[in-house]
Amino acid sequence: GEDVEQSLFLSVREGDSSVINCTYTDSSSTYLYWYKQEPGAGLQLLTYIFSNMDMKQDQRLTVLLNKKDKHLSLRIADTQTGDSAIYFCAARSSNTGKLIFGQGTTLQVKP
Amino acid sequence: EAGVAQSPRYKIIEKRQSVAFWCNPISGHATLYWYQQILGQGPKLLIQFQNNGVVDDSQLPKDRFSAERLKGVDSTLKIQPAKLEDSAVYLCASSLNRVTGNSPLHFGNGTRLTVT
Repeated sequence: GEDVEQSLFLSVREGDSSVINCTYTDSSSTYLYWYKQEPGAGLQLLTYIFSNMDMKQDQRLTVLLNKKDKHLSLRIADTQTGDSAIYFCAARSSNTGKLIFGQGTTLQVKP
Repeated sequence: EAGVAQSPRYKIIEKRQSVAFWCNPISGHATLYWYQQILGQGPKLLIQFQNNGVVDDSQLPKDRFSAERLKGVDSTLKIQPAKLEDSAVYLCASSLNRVTGNSPLHFGNGTRLTVT
């Protein structure tokens, strides 16, 4: 069935780059999303990538997609303490439109 | 634009009681979703509406959960009777379209339910 996997935890120092990885199983996934969740809040859409793209850059965020390996990554440049949150990867099936989420990666940014 | 509105923000009930959550999606969004997020996990889809029709409710425990979207705008999710394992954050989301094009989901802040 459809599944999305992420590493659970990442700790970086302020100013370093963060790389959060994600793998998905549904080869029909057309859009892949990254959401950010701060404590007590809903999910905030950060960025997305279409499956025919390899890379997308949006200010400090870079998304890389390896469609062959079904691997997605989110790189945050110059990570700040305000980036501390849980980051969710999500894959959308072109067949059902269903959005499947990973279990989230907690990013801890140390001063 | 106004975001997805949900109420209440928090609810504490005893097991076997009933509870209802309300959601008002972004204006013009045809698709509405209810997700359940258990602590430490990613959101899990409970039900998806396209306008006022149900598209997917395969993960909805229909013996105790029900949802409706009358008139294709607001939606309510009900649990009756609640169990301890229903303790979670219930997230409502909406999107312009179900499948076509890039139609990202926009989430509300959720309702945190505690069942004691």
